[in-house]
Amino acid sequence: AQKITQTQPGMFVQEKEAVTLDCTYDTSDPSYGLFWYKQPSSGEMIFLIYQGSYDQQNATEGRYSLNFQKARKSANLVISASQLGDSAMYFCAMREADNFGNEKLTFGTGTRLTIIP
Amino acid sequence: ETGVTQTPRHLVMGMTNKKSLKCEQHLGHNAMYWYKQSAKKPLELMFVYNFKEQTENNSVPSRFSPECPNSSHLFLHLHTLQPEDSALYLCASSPREVSVGETQYFGPGTRLLVL
Repeated sequence: AQKITQTQPGMFVQEKEAVTLDCTYDTSDPSYGLFWYKQPSSGEMIFLIYQGSYDQQNATEGRYSLNFQKARKSANLVISASQLGDSAMYFCAMREADNFGNEKLTFGTGTRLTIIP
Repeated sequence: ETGVTQTPRHLVMGMTNKKSLKCEQHLGHNAMYWYKQSAKKPLELMFVYNFKEQTENNSVPSRFSPECPNSSHLFLHLHTLQPEDSALYLCASSPREVSVGETQYFGPGTRLLVL
């Protein structure tokens, strides 16, 4: 079963509009971390935002915010006032401990976001 | 200066060739990772090194051989690869392996094509 599910393979959004990228996760571990990364066409994965499972408030970093709904196991990324430079692949990832106590980072399949001028 | 560098950025090789991918991190981190990113598939963790010791081998075929001579450098030696090994290979580092809240810092990747 998939640990991280991103149901939107691609999205087109008008410049300056807000966009929400969906991410749901599956874990039985009470302690975990959720990450969002941006991957431009150049290839590198750029860290955007982090949410800890025990964090009471939703994480925010500039134009990025994470809509964390723990009971629903969702961690959607919200980008406000989108810009042309936001066009990229976006990956949701979860960090949790495996059965041997090792930390694992599991990625979703990604969402390709295209910002339209 | 980019925190994590990878060379080469692009590589084309035949199935009988031997080549190596190099990763270098300038962040003072102690953990380094190799990932494989194939089209339309999630990122797959291949190897983890923590303080130069391999702590994870995610059932990777032996035609991929990692080497970590020190905490700043990580290599992936390739030999007798198959066309399905064509992918983007990403290197990453983090301060240490075990920490839920710490992100990993990624390099730009090596795009590998096996003919």
